[in-house]
Amino acid sequence: DAKTTQPTSMDCAEGRAANLPCNHSTISGNEYVYWYRQIHSQGPQYIIHGLKNNETNEMASLIITEDRKSSTLILPHATLRDTAVYYCIVRVENGGSQGNLIFGKGTKLSVKP
Amino acid sequence: EPEVTQTPSHQVTQMGQEVILRCVPISNHLYFYWYRQILGQKVEFLVSFYNNEISEKSEIFDDQFSVERPDGSNFTLKIRSTKLEDSAMYFCASSEIGAPGAQHFGDGTRLSIL
Repeated sequence: DAKTTQPTSMDCAEGRAANLPCNHSTISGNEYVYWYRQIHSQGPQYIIHGLKNNETNEMASLIITEDRKSSTLILPHATLRDTAVYYCIVRVENGGSQGNLIFGKGTKLSVKP
Repeated sequence: EPEVTQTPSHQVTQMGQEVILRCVPISNHLYFYWYRQILGQKVEFLVSFYNNEISEKSEIFDDQFSVERPDGSNFTLKIRSTKLEDSAMYFCASSEIGAPGAQHFGDGTRLSIL
């Protein structure tokens, strides 16, 4: 089972920041936080990941709380094309692990004009 | 930007028949994966593959399933004797050796078993 809790759905106005929360209160010290999204009828798309520091790339920013029990994915200027299901996944990362991603139900983000 | 490609986009097969789903991962990636998503349900891990062997598999990946990397570019999933409950979207993914969690997914093959 997924080790994360996310709201079922969220709305965001086009052009505004979308802030998607995720709780992962049982996260272990060697587990990373990953975010993926799935636009309708497409495969999941990797967005960003982090361990404890905040991360930013061309798609989004990831803010992880100091105790690492929760995180927030920020899409700074949401567009209609950002409408998708967003998945927060915690995953061990070590030299021997090439394994699976465990997807939960995610948050369905609807960006509205 | 390089991408994972899957063929066919839609496969219709009679129950009990064998089916092969094909994937071309990103060329410099060394980890390969299959996932499936039954309509309206979560994405589920099936199997991961590295260095020409299975590295992890889920309970779903039973003896009816097999994977193969027949050449330097293709990665296939075979279902020997399909069941109605195998109807799903099947996604192939690949990742680099330095970032196994950052997986790149194809757009899937929709498998319909009649």
